[in-house]
Amino acid sequence: EVQILETGGGLVKPGGSLRLSCATSGFNFNDYFMNWVRQAPGKGLEWVAQIRNKNYNYATYYAESLEGRVTISRDDSKSSVYLQVSSLRAEDTAIYYCTREGFAYWGQGTLVTVSS
Amino acid sequence: DVVMTQTPVSLSVSLGGQVSISCRSSQSLVHNNGNTYLSWYLQKPGQSPQLLIYKVSNRFSGISDRFSGSGSGTDFTLKISRVEPDDLGVYYCGQGTQYPWTFGGGTKLELK
Repeated sequence: EVQILETGGGLVKPGGSLRLSCATSGFNFNDYFMNWVRQAPGKGLEWVAQIRNKNYNYATYYAESLEGRVTISRDDSKSSVYLQVSSLRAEDTAIYYCTREGFAYWGQGTLVTVSS
Repeated sequence: DVVMTQTPVSLSVSLGGQVSISCRSSQSLVHNNGNTYLSWYLQKPGQSPQLLIYKVSNRFSGISDRFSGSGSGTDFTLKISRVEPDDLGVYYCGQGTQYPWTFGGGTKLELK
């Protein structure tokens, strides 16, 4: 069974940073691209970032609205993917979901709240 | 960026009825490899989104045949027949043809 678990969310002050983690199991992590998608309270879905696998040299792609403030990375030995977000703003408040390639499997999300 | 426009924004349906949701993209979603990466998702209240349909018309594992997807190029439709209580929530279309991946604004399906 595919399992995805995000952690690392919480309350952060504007200008602060956060590192979100996503632990996975139940599939061969090395074979898949991984994504982060976020959802602001009461709003729709916004793709944040993707990291490809080793076969594609771990290429990364980012939403323009966040580029320069986010870094996606992965550790294949831990079947995990990470999202570093810096210079956080109130509008970054959202549930951040980790999803497998093709958005076939999603975690339950981790809530990031940016507020003073 | 490819803009995904869903209509209607909300929809009321009776149990057992049928509904259609439209999704239009601002550019063709046909990839250079010939595939069209248009998917449909359902987000039930308090839950994460779940994949229903991928590449326009392919049902994901375990998805009922009451859900069907169709369309091509820039116009796509999700049909739900014999609506059940568990079908209620917000439906999103999304494209994976061109970076950045983008989603429609959502269609809320409610009981009449």
